[in-house]
Amino acid sequence: DTGVSQNPRHKITKRGQNVTFRCDPISEHNRLYWYRQTLGQGPEFLTYFQNEAQLEKSRLLSDRFSAERPKGSFSTLEIQRTEQGDSAMYLCASSLEGLGETQYFGPGTRLLVL
Amino acid sequence: RKEVEQDPGPFNVPEGATVAFNCTYSNSASQSFFWYRQDCRKEPKLLMSVYSSGNEDGRFTAQLNRASQYISLLIRDSKLSDSATYLCVVKGSGGYQKVTFGTGTKLQVIP
Repeated sequence: DTGVSQNPRHKITKRGQNVTFRCDPISEHNRLYWYRQTLGQGPEFLTYFQNEAQLEKSRLLSDRFSAERPKGSFSTLEIQRTEQGDSAMYLCASSLEGLGETQYFGPGTRLLVL
Repeated sequence: RKEVEQDPGPFNVPEGATVAFNCTYSNSASQSFFWYRQDCRKEPKLLMSVYSSGNEDGRFTAQLNRASQYISLLIRDSKLSDSATYLCVVKGSGGYQKVTFGTGTKLQVIP
């Protein structure tokens, strides 16, 4: 399967714990995005990488959130001191910069904070 | 005003019907437009890009009206398998091409 993959697919954690999610983009894609989606809403942009550089962060991304893409390939999203309001689906998407650029999404990581 | 607005629905239509969704956007500098489909508890998947001249893919037709800042999606001869949420996506311009999703329009095709 050469699509975008995300791990884990599901995560249940207690409030206050740290969690880390991984995204493996389509191999030739240089752009990688993280989104958060809650029930009844569209995906909300969190952050964006071009190669290894994090070029944009949403104001939704509090200090407790950090994302990395150290070698310009896979990316990790860490949430520290999780809160119940962090419960959501975390989606990763990748794209290849250029005309007609479109994003391809991974299956997401569903986070539940108890 | 939201950057991208959609009627959340649900739109309940019988099989074989034609249904249309609209989506309005607030940034006149937006460059690219897409429709994504999202099934329940699944990731969004690209349905089609939307071009200024309009484009068609089988039973699906997308239109862009830059003057009025809206895009539309028309589905003809609805199938049960078309039941899903349809997300309108607008992409900005500049070095960072901000991508904004609408909240989605839910379609339920009824036998």
